[in-house]
Amino acid sequence: KNEVEQSPQNLTAQEGEFITINCSYSVGISALHWLQQHPGGGIVSLFMLSSGKKKHGRLIATINIQEKHSSLHITASHPRDSAVYICAVNSWDDKIIFGKGTRLHILP
Amino acid sequence: DAGITQSPRHKVTETGTPVTLRCHQTENHRYMYWYRQDPGHGLRLIHYSYGVKDTDKGEVSDGYSVSRSKTEDFLLTLESATSSQTSVYFCAISDWRTDRGEKLFFGSGTQLSVL
Repeated sequence: KNEVEQSPQNLTAQEGEFITINCSYSVGISALHWLQQHPGGGIVSLFMLSSGKKKHGRLIATINIQEKHSSLHITASHPRDSAVYICAVNSWDDKIIFGKGTRLHILP
Repeated sequence: DAGITQSPRHKVTETGTPVTLRCHQTENHRYMYWYRQDPGHGLRLIHYSYGVKDTDKGEVSDGYSVSRSKTEDFLLTLESATSSQTSVYFCAISDWRTDRGEKLFFGSGTQLSVL
């Protein structure tokens, strides 16, 4: 079993829809990251969370430490949001463990 | 953008040859990581470093070695490249001190093809 699990693996939605991507982890962590990777592109960090909730523009990330679960939400989705979204956690032994990513496709 | 540079960006080599990839940072971050990204596997940790001359293995370290003689440089070496090491390689840096480095920064990646 992977230490970081994301769902769904693939998601196709219409422009304007509210998007939720989930991440569950099984190890003790000091922080959790949400990353974005566009096709053929580099990897960009969106959020780092250790508790609660963060918001940046149309993106919202939440984490529940007790339940070992985080969600990334996109409001009013747009085709330019199409990308792979990756959840990663900082384990207590300084490693960063990645989920396999969620491929999001927003249709115009 | 964080100051992190990977070189080369693309490399084609033959089976059995040694290959070295370089990650250079100007951020003075403590932690540096090498990952490979393959379809169906996501990002997998090869090796990481938590300081000069302090390195440790990741989940896919076989066939790879690393060195960090200076804070700014983290080298990944394939001693004898194999076709299974064809992949995209990413370097990442971070610093968990509260006064800096809230995020994880990635290099642009190196596309390595071993023929």
